[in-house]
Amino acid sequence: DQQVKQNSPSLSVQEGRISILNCDYTNSMFDYFLWYKKYPAEGPTFLISISSIKDKNEDGRFTVFLNKSAKHLSLHIVPSQPGDSAVYFCAGTDSNYQLIWGAGTKLIIKP
Amino acid sequence: NAGVTQTPKFRVLKTGQSMTLLCAQDMNHEYMYWYRQDPGMGLRLIHYSVGEGTTAKGEVPDGYNVSRLKKQNFLLGLESAAPSQTSVYFCASSSRDTQYFGPGTRLTVL
Repeated sequence: DQQVKQNSPSLSVQEGRISILNCDYTNSMFDYFLWYKKYPAEGPTFLISISSIKDKNEDGRFTVFLNKSAKHLSLHIVPSQPGDSAVYFCAGTDSNYQLIWGAGTKLIIKP
Repeated sequence: NAGVTQTPKFRVLKTGQSMTLLCAQDMNHEYMYWYRQDPGMGLRLIHYSVGEGTTAKGEVPDGYNVSRLKKQNFLLGLESAAPSQTSVYFCASSSRDTQYFGPGTRLTVL
């Protein structure tokens, strides 16, 4: 039972354009969502988060949108840069401090 | 501040051998976690700890044991390694929802 789904294993975007990464969840008890970025041979690094009481959170080039009724969140990266090429994971938590992870989306930024 | 460190970075074991992976954090975090990551899958929680002296099972605990004798350290043990335990292992720590990760240990079991 996959509680967090990232249905696109990979995404290719032109440098300078917008990258949109999607994530769906099934657990209504999730009250906090996080996005992590992972480079090869490194551990995941925290990128941005959003509380379930909000529908948008912005940090520089990164914006996360949450649609609770659709149980869907998305990460927007504008403009996309070569250094953004990585695997992006979304995760949800119901405040027991355990994260439930999606399988990840590999983002490739083309020059 | 080193953050979260893991040793070793790489290890090759033969089936049936045992080993211990060490995780250390210098952020005074209460919570610590061990995950494994396999190709095409998200991170799966093996065991976690909510404080010194406490441990709990995660999603995939079979074949692993853990100990948290000191707040800053979280050890993951494999008593009898199996090829199915070939994976990349990540340790993380947190004070609340945001977890901070170590660089990972790549383990191969032949």
